[in-house]
Amino acid sequence: NAGVTQTPKFQVLKTGQSMTLQCAQDMNHNSMYWYRQDPGMGLRLIYYSASEGTTDKGEVPNGYNVSRLNKREFSLRLESAAPSQTSVYFCASSDGQGADTEAFFGQGTRLTVV
Amino acid sequence: DQQVKQNSPSLSVQEGRISILNCDYTNSMFDYFLWYKKYPAEGPTFLISISSIKDKNEDGRFTVFLNKSAKHLSLHIVPSQPGDSAVYFCAAYSGGSNYKLTFGKGTLLTVNP
Repeated sequence: NAGVTQTPKFQVLKTGQSMTLQCAQDMNHNSMYWYRQDPGMGLRLIYYSASEGTTDKGEVPNGYNVSRLNKREFSLRLESAAPSQTSVYFCASSDGQGADTEAFFGQGTRLTVV
Repeated sequence: DQQVKQNSPSLSVQEGRISILNCDYTNSMFDYFLWYKKYPAEGPTFLISISSIKDKNEDGRFTVFLNKSAKHLSLHIVPSQPGDSAVYFCAAYSGGSNYKLTFGKGTLLTVNP
């Protein structure tokens, strides 16, 4: 049981380059999330998808786009990377249907923009 | 506007003693609270949760207390072990927000042998 799988694990981009972070879950969860973690800032929500076919902005959406491709997959795209987007990115999923479900996280993608 | 606040960036305790991590929130619509533990170079892992209709939930060495009137929750770890050394995140969500999960900034717990 893989849980939440993120690819790639590490990436270095030049300013202005684009890339897509992939995320897939095999737990049949309805909700999926993208977070970024920066020193002293905790986990900040970029975008989330409460269910297949819907996406909503989180706390820090600027510079990002997302696609909920199907129930399993939720991708995060950086169209024109900037050094301020250097961070560790985490994808998560949850059942999202009740008050007693927790989110499961992937291992993270460490992105450096130079 | 930070809706979930962890005001202590770090906490250091001796092995065998109690660790108390605190969390405050501002959104009265939150109806579920969770604690996550994170080791370096790993994703956060779920630790324990509590519904807003309860004031205490216990799981082994971990107990979470919720004080709704004060909009405050705390995580107690007894006894603390060196393997508990990690960053602990408090998180909250409400069904009315499509289960958007909001995190605090985290507290680094160090348990000294």
